[in-house]
Amino acid sequence: QVQLVQSGSELKKPGASVKVSCKASGYTFTSYAMNWVRQAPGQGLEWMGWINTNTGNPTYAQGFTGRFVFSLDTSVSTAYLQISSLKAEDTAVYYCARVWGPVVSEHYMDVWGKGTTVTVSS
Amino acid sequence: QSVLTQPPSVSGAPGQRVTISCTGSSSNIGAGYDVHWYQQLPGTAPKLLIYGNSNRPSGVPDRFSGSKSGTSASLAISGLQAEDEADYYCQSYDSSLSGPVVFGGGTKLTVL
Repeated sequence: QVQLVQSGSELKKPGASVKVSCKASGYTFTSYAMNWVRQAPGQGLEWMGWINTNTGNPTYAQGFTGRFVFSLDTSVSTAYLQISSLKAEDTAVYYCARVWGPVVSEHYMDVWGKGTTVTVSS
Repeated sequence: QSVLTQPPSVSGAPGQRVTISCTGSSSNIGAGYDVHWYQQLPGTAPKLLIYGNSNRPSGVPDRFSGSKSGTSASLAISGLQAEDEADYYCQSYDSSLSGPVVFGGGTKLTVL
């Protein structure tokens, strides 16, 4: 069955970096783009951006440029989110979600990972 | 502030029908872009509930329905059940600098 398996929870100190993985199975990885979505504690969903799994080209939402990097390893059908120079306000659950739709204006997220909790605390 | 506006909370008794609104503008819903809805049960990941304004993925009960008109969209849940208690989010495309993918702020549904 189609699924996205994310890496486990992370506890990091301010200033450190973290890399979250999202391993896809049950479908052809490069046929669907991948979104990343953040959910801060008690807050709503926030779209971080997406990565074209065919070309590796990332698109970042406003507010997620500079410290946030999307990458891929297509040999193991895995997408990654790396966050550098972590701040307390980066504490959140980070979700990967498969994108459905041929063009961005039609994009929606039909399969979600279970989420990875990143806690930033000294 | 979310680009798409949802009521923070709605409630209803078992068996009743509730609706959740999602209000946008001329740069998103009003421009004709589709609206999609997600259900997030407590402590779990979001799940696709409605796509393309009114389509249900396989496995989603027909108690859930979606519609769109003008700059707004709505999610209706009929025959409310206790297990429907969750957060609901709308999502669309926005052609302004806010986009391109935007979510509503979410609505907490309480089953009384």
